Amino acid sequence: QLQLQESGPGLVKPSETLSLTCTVSGGSINSYSYYWGWIRQPPGKGLEWIGTIYYSGSTYYNPSLKSRVTISVDTSKNHFSLKLSSVTAADTAVYYCATYDILTAYFYWGQGTLVTVSS
Amino acid sequence: EIVLTQSPGTLSLSPGERATLSCRASQSVSSSYLAWYQQKPGQAPRLLIYGASSRATGIPDRFSGSGSGTDFTLTISRLEPEDFAVYYCQHYGSSPWTFGQGTKVEIK
Repeated sequence: QLQLQESGPGLVKPSETLSLTCTVSGGSINSYSYYWGWIRQPPGKGLEWIGTIYYSGSTYYNPSLKSRVTISVDTSKNHFSLKLSSVTAADTAVYYCATYDILTAYFYWGQGTLVTVSS
Repeated sequence: EIVLTQSPGTLSLSPGERATLSCRASQSVSSSYLAWYQQKPGQAPRLLIYGASSRATGIPDRFSGSGSGTDFTLTISRLEPEDFAVYYCQHYGSSPWTFGQGTKVEIK
C-alpha cells in the first residue's frame, strides 16, 4: 500500500519561498506507473490542483500558479518536492501531496500539512 | 480544461435517508479517472469511489458510484450519522486534475 507523508515549515514569511517535500513509501517514485502531484486547500475553501510530475521529469502546472511553482523528483530519496515562490497570505492553505496508479486508477493522498504565510 | 459542477450545493437529509449527489463535467471524461471523496473538518479527503464505480478499500457498500461521459452520481443508500460531511468529485486522468466545488450533506 502506497503511503505519502508531507514535511516542511508550517510558517513562511510573505515574499519568501514555500518548500515542501513528500516522502513516498510502499512504492518507487521512479516508476512509470504513477503521476505525482500537489493539491492545496485554503481554510474553509475547496481543493485546488497545483501541479503534477511524471517519473520522466515532465511537469504540468496550474496556469494561475505556473510562474511561481516548481515540482521536482529526487529518486535517491524516493521523494518529490514543491517550491512556491513569492508567497502571500492567499497561499495559506493545507498542502497535500498525492498520486495515482495509472494502471488501477487508485488515488492516494498524504495527510496534509498546514502552511501559514505570515510575518 | 474540464470543469466539474456538483449539485446540489447543500443536501439536508435525515439519518436513514438516501442521498444522491451529482457531478457534471463540461466535456466528456474518461470514467476510469473519476473519483468521489468524503471530507470532514480537519481531515484529508477520504477516497470513496474511483474509476466512477469502484469502492475504495474499506468503504461500506452503502456508497456507490455510477455514470459515464459527462454525468456521474454518488449514492449513499442509507445515511449513517458519520456520513454527514462534504463530498467532492475529481477528474485526474490528465492534467489538470480538477475538482468539483463540493456538496455538503447536512443533518435535517
